[in-house]
Amino acid sequence: NAGVTQTPKFQVLKTGQSMTLQCAQDMNHNSMYWYRQDPGMGLRLIYYSASEGTTDKGEVPNGYNVSRLNKREFSLRLESAAPSQTSVYFCASGREWRETQYFGPGTRLLVL
Amino acid sequence: EDKVVQSPLSLVVHEGDTVTLNCSYEVTNFRSLLWYKQEKKAPTFLFMLTSSGIEKKSGRLSSILDKKELFSILNITATQTGDSAVYLCAVNAGNMLTFGGGTRLMVKP
Repeated sequence: NAGVTQTPKFQVLKTGQSMTLQCAQDMNHNSMYWYRQDPGMGLRLIYYSASEGTTDKGEVPNGYNVSRLNKREFSLRLESAAPSQTSVYFCASGREWRETQYFGPGTRLLVL
Repeated sequence: EDKVVQSPLSLVVHEGDTVTLNCSYEVTNFRSLLWYKQEKKAPTFLFMLTSSGIEKKSGRLSSILDKKELFSILNITATQTGDSAVYLCAVNAGNMLTFGGGTRLMVKP
């Protein structure tokens, strides 16, 4: 039982490049989330998926897109990376959207 | 706009001390308040609180919620160096979690 897994662990991009961050959970959770964490800003919600087949914007969705591929997987895409997107990205999942969330190990992204 | 504020921002104590971390919130449609511990990487879940006045306890850690005054506290007794971390408070208000900025705790031997 791996919990929440994320790939890659670390990535360096040039401005304008695109990439997809992958997240998977094996806990049969219905809800999944993407956060970014920046110094002094705490955790901020980017997008979430309350259940398979649905996605919604969080606090800071601009510059990102998501796909809930199936119940296990929730990916985050940066179409044209910007230096302001340099951050640590966490994926989380929860049994239902109002319940406790469990976090993955994070992806550290550097955009030059 | 939903808001969660934690205090103090940082705290340095010695092993064996007791610490109290604070979390106050202003949200619409409150559902629950959660505490997380974050060391080097991902936050790990500590407690979820939904009802006022009922203490949740796990070993040396305990937490309580006051829904009238809109705050929660996290207590750690007999602190150890392994308690050094950032402690995050988050409020579930509707369909997303709003996080506070965290309290950085350092426990010195």
